[in-house]
Amino acid sequence: AQKITQTQPGMFVQEKEAVTLDCTYDTSDQSYGLFWYKQPSSGEMIFLIYQGSYDEQNATEGRYSLNFQKARKSANLVISASQLGDSAMYFCAMRERNRDDKIIFGKGTRLHILP
Amino acid sequence: GAGVSQSPRYKVAKRGQDVALRCDPISGHVSLFWYQQALGQGPEFLTYFQNEAQLDKSGLPSDRFFAERPEGSVSTLKIQRTQQEDSAVYLCASEGTAKNIQYFGAGTRLSVL
Repeated sequence: AQKITQTQPGMFVQEKEAVTLDCTYDTSDQSYGLFWYKQPSSGEMIFLIYQGSYDEQNATEGRYSLNFQKARKSANLVISASQLGDSAMYFCAMRERNRDDKIIFGKGTRLHILP
Repeated sequence: GAGVSQSPRYKVAKRGQDVALRCDPISGHVSLFWYQQALGQGPEFLTYFQNEAQLDKSGLPSDRFFAERPEGSVSTLKIQRTQQEDSAVYLCASEGTAKNIQYFGAGTRLSVL
């Protein structure tokens, strides 16, 4: 079974609109971390936001927020007021504490921001 | 340096050649990771170092792949006798003592002809 599922291979959004990128995860661990990374065409993976499984508040970083619904095993990324520079691949990822080293990535969502 | 640096950015190899990919992590970062990213996929874990110790190499796809980090800073991923299926982007990441965030380099795109 896939550990990280991103069901939207591609999305088109009008500039300045908010966008939600979906992510569900699968783990039996109680302690884990969830991440979102952005990968522009240059190839670098840029860290956006982190949510710990025990964090009670949803994480926010500037225009990025993570909508964490633990019971549903959902960790959607919300980008407010999208910009043309937000066009990129977005990866949801998880790190399980009993496998402390690796990050497991989903297949990604390609986001296109339209002017 | 300010970020994770990888070289070369692009590498073309003939099938059967050996290649060496370099990663220079963020200064002072103890942990270093290698990932392989096939076209259209998310990165997949290859191996992990803490200082000079290779603590996990469970993701290395075959014995043609090996990695080293002899002085606990720069790391090299070596692929022997490259095959076409080795074509991918190889990403390096490093992590400091605030053990949550891995910071990635821009990757090396390897094409095996």
